[in-house]
Amino acid sequence: DTGVSQNPRHKITKRGQNVTFRCDPISEHNRLYWYRQTLGQGPEFLTYFQNEAQLEKSGLLSDRFSAERPKGSFSTLEIQRTEQGDSAMYLCASSSGQGSSYEQYFGPGTRLTVT
Amino acid sequence: AQTVTQSQPEMSVQEAETVTLSCTYDTSESDYYLFWYKQPPSRQMILVIRQEAYKQQNATENRFSVNFQKAAKSFSLKISDSQLGDAAMYFCAYLSNFGNEKLTFGTGTRLTIIP
Repeated sequence: DTGVSQNPRHKITKRGQNVTFRCDPISEHNRLYWYRQTLGQGPEFLTYFQNEAQLEKSGLLSDRFSAERPKGSFSTLEIQRTEQGDSAMYLCASSSGQGSSYEQYFGPGTRLTVT
Repeated sequence: AQTVTQSQPEMSVQEAETVTLSCTYDTSESDYYLFWYKQPPSRQMILVIRQEAYKQQNATENRFSVNFQKAAKSFSLKISDSQLGDAAMYFCAYLSNFGNEKLTFGTGTRLTIIP
């Protein structure tokens, strides 16, 4: 297994456009998380899936943000009508959540630039 | 809500010396996990060390160890025999054991290793 992968690695878009990012977790992990990281800050939680169920989405910043994981494997994060303030690194993580091993393994991130 | 504070935006250490990074957190919970993550420049975040709050013994992983003071809500990271590859942003993170599986991160400490 090569770890968590994210695509694309970089995305430049014009304000008002929609963007979609993909995350492929480690294959045996049933939990998947999305975080957002702005320059000079730590990652901030967006949403979390256990299998295909979205169990927590309190961090989604507005109704322009949505995420899904339809088959309990890969996930997508969509931002509609992008704004300059959406420019950030979007990180995906996965975990097995078994026992006390709540380690979250992170992907390389997708860097979004909104012009 | 839990908060994590890292009061040292930047630290530097001579190669082969020891450095300690500070972290404090605020929570009303008694059962939780604490983590130190490392984020090298342009590379993905990896877990350095984990501490379960119910364990009194401080966690160690090779050159990395923590000083966990539960009453003081303090969780510092000590890196011994610093190496050039230790240069990175280090993030302290909190995870509740009460189901929401959301990591709460501090703002990070940038560690520079001086050859």
